[in-house]
Amino acid sequence: EAGVAQSPRYKIIEKRQSVAFWCNPISGHATLYWYQQILGQGPKLLIQFQNNGVVDDSQLPKDRFSAERLKGVDSTLKIQPAKLEDSAVYLCASSSTGGAETEQYFGPGTRLTVT
Amino acid sequence: GENVEQHPSTLSVQEGDSAVIKCTYSDSASNYFPWYKQELGKRPQLIIDIRSNVGEKKDQRIAVTLNKTAKHFSLHITETQPEDSAVYFCAAKSQYGGATNKLIFGTGTLLAVQP
Repeated sequence: EAGVAQSPRYKIIEKRQSVAFWCNPISGHATLYWYQQILGQGPKLLIQFQNNGVVDDSQLPKDRFSAERLKGVDSTLKIQPAKLEDSAVYLCASSSTGGAETEQYFGPGTRLTVT
Repeated sequence: GENVEQHPSTLSVQEGDSAVIKCTYSDSASNYFPWYKQELGKRPQLIIDIRSNVGEKKDQRIAVTLNKTAKHFSLHITETQPEDSAVYFCAAKSQYGGATNKLIFGTGTLLAVQP
């Protein structure tokens, strides 16, 4: 099966600019996750969708980050305005359900550099 | 909130030796513990997982053990090979915030297998 797709793979912006990332999950996967992975750290969950509804966004900095999953398939994550500390790899993952022990499949990530 | 600690942060072994990575978690309700391997610049990939009703699980050269009483779990790699070199992340499922499949990741272990 095709994996999780993300674009762009790399993005360099200046602080205070805006940026958007796109994710296409594995076909049929109901649950979609966005993670932030800062260099040298493990992924940190930003937001979890079940179909097109938000399950958990407790660690999403809502003053600058937003995400949507219209129609319950593709998703976009936006940062506006970006800060230096937002430099990280943004990973999208999907799973067939939001169940307790369902494997999450990760996309290749988008490496964001904020200068 | 839930916290997962991982040790060591770096591990260097000779080819053929064994490698052990240890993690502890804080949420006693956690019941699913996956391990991910992440090669440089690539996506995390699930290599093995264990559920709380099992104390040990093995898959060829990889094994994971779980001690729920002590709230720690470990990854064991035997007969290491250079292609095992990567960053390994442990994770624990947490239900904090009502999320059904929220993974909390450790900080990662950089494993280097010297030929």
